[in-house]
Amino acid sequence: ETGVTQTPRHLVMGMTNKKSLKCEQHLGHNAMYWYKQSAKKPLELMFVYSLEERVENNSVPSRFSPECPNSSHLFLHLHTLQPEDSALYLCASSQERSPDQPQHFGDGTRLSIL
Amino acid sequence: AQKITQTQPGMFVQEKEAVTLDCTYDTSDQSYGLFWYKQPSSGEMIFLIYQGSYDEQNATEGRYSLNFQKARKSANLVISASQLGDSAMYFCAMREGRILTGGGNKLTFGTGTQLKVEL
Repeated sequence: ETGVTQTPRHLVMGMTNKKSLKCEQHLGHNAMYWYKQSAKKPLELMFVYSLEERVENNSVPSRFSPECPNSSHLFLHLHTLQPEDSALYLCASSQERSPDQPQHFGDGTRLSIL
Repeated sequence: AQKITQTQPGMFVQEKEAVTLDCTYDTSDQSYGLFWYKQPSSGEMIFLIYQGSYDEQNATEGRYSLNFQKARKSANLVISASQLGDSAMYFCAMREGRILTGGGNKLTFGTGTQLKVEL
């Protein structure tokens, strides 16, 4: 079983739609992350949740709204997105206070905005 | 501010040969960590190898080794005996030095190197 599962794998939506991306980790980690990966750019960290509290919000537009109801689940709620938001969105998890341990990533959601 | 530089946008290697993917970094922190990830075309990011700034030995994991030169601030990935399945995007990443309680482990990524293994 994959340690970090993201759904859906692909999503096509119009600019006026509302949708949510889901991430679930089965590794017993207590920190979770959302990254955006656009073509030919480094991964951009969007949000960090540690012990279910948001500890990082890297100047992300308000049309992206994260939610972390418990340490195993992370959501990214999307509304009124722009074409430049089309990208691969990756979720990751790690163990707090274990800095030598890697972040484990999901397979990503490939998002296309029409 | 931290920065990761990967100067090779694309690399080719013949099957069974070794290849080195370059990574240089910039940080003023004394304590930091360096990670390499592989991303096949399917999208998932796969952890390959880790090197801590205080580790005296170069890290090795199977066919992967990390050529860590602290004075030069470089952490190059060496893949030995390349296989067709090694064709992928490879990312170097650095963990922020300060370990914040309740702050997660933030990583800064480079732009990646696309590796193509040929017969």
